[in-house]
Amino acid sequence: SAVISQKPSRDICQRGTSLTIQCQVDSQVTMMFWYRQQPGQSLTLIATANQGSEATYESGFVIDKFPISRPNLTFSTLTVSNMSPEDSSIYLCSVLGFTSYEQYFGPGTRLTVT
Amino acid sequence: AQTVTQSQPEMSVQEAETVTLSCTYDTSENNYYLFWYKQPPSRQMILVIRQEAYKQQNATENRFSVNFQKAAKSFSLKISDSQLGDTAMYFCAFMKPRSGGYQKVTFGIGTKLQVIP
Repeated sequence: SAVISQKPSRDICQRGTSLTIQCQVDSQVTMMFWYRQQPGQSLTLIATANQGSEATYESGFVIDKFPISRPNLTFSTLTVSNMSPEDSSIYLCSVLGFTSYEQYFGPGTRLTVT
Repeated sequence: AQTVTQSQPEMSVQEAETVTLSCTYDTSENNYYLFWYKQPPSRQMILVIRQEAYKQQNATENRFSVNFQKAAKSFSLKISDSQLGDTAMYFCAFMKPRSGGYQKVTFGIGTKLQVIP
């Protein structure tokens, strides 16, 4: 299994500003994922971040809005840029297990944009 | 593209009773994985149970078991002897393994389960 931590756990931000969310894993992993979970909704994949390559973004998400860094095998950041109230959501980091493809999730970052 | 459908937005069950959550999916693939994840209120999402499509035997983890019907593309979760700690949002998920470092998991919209004392 993998233990994942995220910072910050929650934040309230002003419209137009940016927030960077950090994700730290206790072991080296190749693939990391960033999800958005809007209130009462399911998870929507934003992008997949592999170390040493550009992140792969899903339809509807662009790098200018959600830039991702993956400097090493245990760490990644997601920035939510030029925020609007529609960006209010929980942002989750996850990694794939080494066997059987289950995912391990971080505790999430609850973002409120006012 | 794969889709995952959970047709029960909310369910409730009496403590110690059994409840079944339904999930159907659509895919043309033959080799894939199915999962049930649990997200308790304000807590971290965790894996409940996993099923490999090539295995005919239904997966079981203690009080949790699945009924995997590959031809019908159905993957229901049965919780026996329900406990208050089972109160959570349950997500069904599908993944097709791929080589080359890119995987995508498709999640259903979730079923909110309330265990009543």
